Amino acid sequence: GQQVMQIPQYQHVQEGEDFTTYCNSSTTLSNIQWYKQRPGGHPVFLIQLVKSGEVKKQKRLTFQFGEAKKNSSLHITATQTTDVGTYFCAGRYGGSQGNLIFGKGTKLSVKP
Amino acid sequence: DAGITQSPRHKVTETGTPVTLRCHQTENHRYMYWYRQDPGHGLRLIHYSYGVKDTDKGEVSDGYSVSRSKTEDFLLTLESATSSQTSVYFCAISDLTGTDTQYFGPGTRLTVL
Repeated sequence: GQQVMQIPQYQHVQEGEDFTTYCNSSTTLSNIQWYKQRPGGHPVFLIQLVKSGEVKKQKRLTFQFGEAKKNSSLHITATQTTDVGTYFCAGRYGGSQGNLIFGKGTKLSVKP
Repeated sequence: DAGITQSPRHKVTETGTPVTLRCHQTENHRYMYWYRQDPGHGLRLIHYSYGVKDTDKGEVSDGYSVSRSKTEDFLLTLESATSSQTSVYFCAISDLTGTDTQYFGPGTRLTVL
């Protein structure tokens, strides 16, 4: 079946350092979504990317969708302790009716 | 947060017993989903529903059944729980419009001894 590979599995950073997580699919995605899950919490939607080469920003977070719509990244500039949590990408195949396939997530810890 | 509740929030049961988890929404969204989350596996889709009495299997449906008799309720049943079904279960809803966001419930932590 379709898979979305996400790396790294864990990332430990010092507060103020940058952080990036990557997602890759072997086949073209219709769109990709990103979610954040705080420790002990539930996943919360961050953003959706649809267009080839799309770049979106939310304050210190930058999301990119590759030209071939097979990969995506989330970059956080100058991490803060509030960024702690697990970040998931979720790819959709087969148009709007396809289900989301979640990556395994990147767990971010931030040392003050 | 979207109006989604899950019950129970925590449950400990024994192998071989039936278990039903409930997801209730107040958003009138058409689509509802059950996921399980395990360390190292992320979120995996168990079953989903695209309307009342309309359900379909997800990636890891073996050992699980679902029912949706009303728009607001989506039940997940483990007919005979096994230790491999120890997990955190999340319900999610979506209306597949706009950005097609999935809104997740608070989760149910199930332990099968």
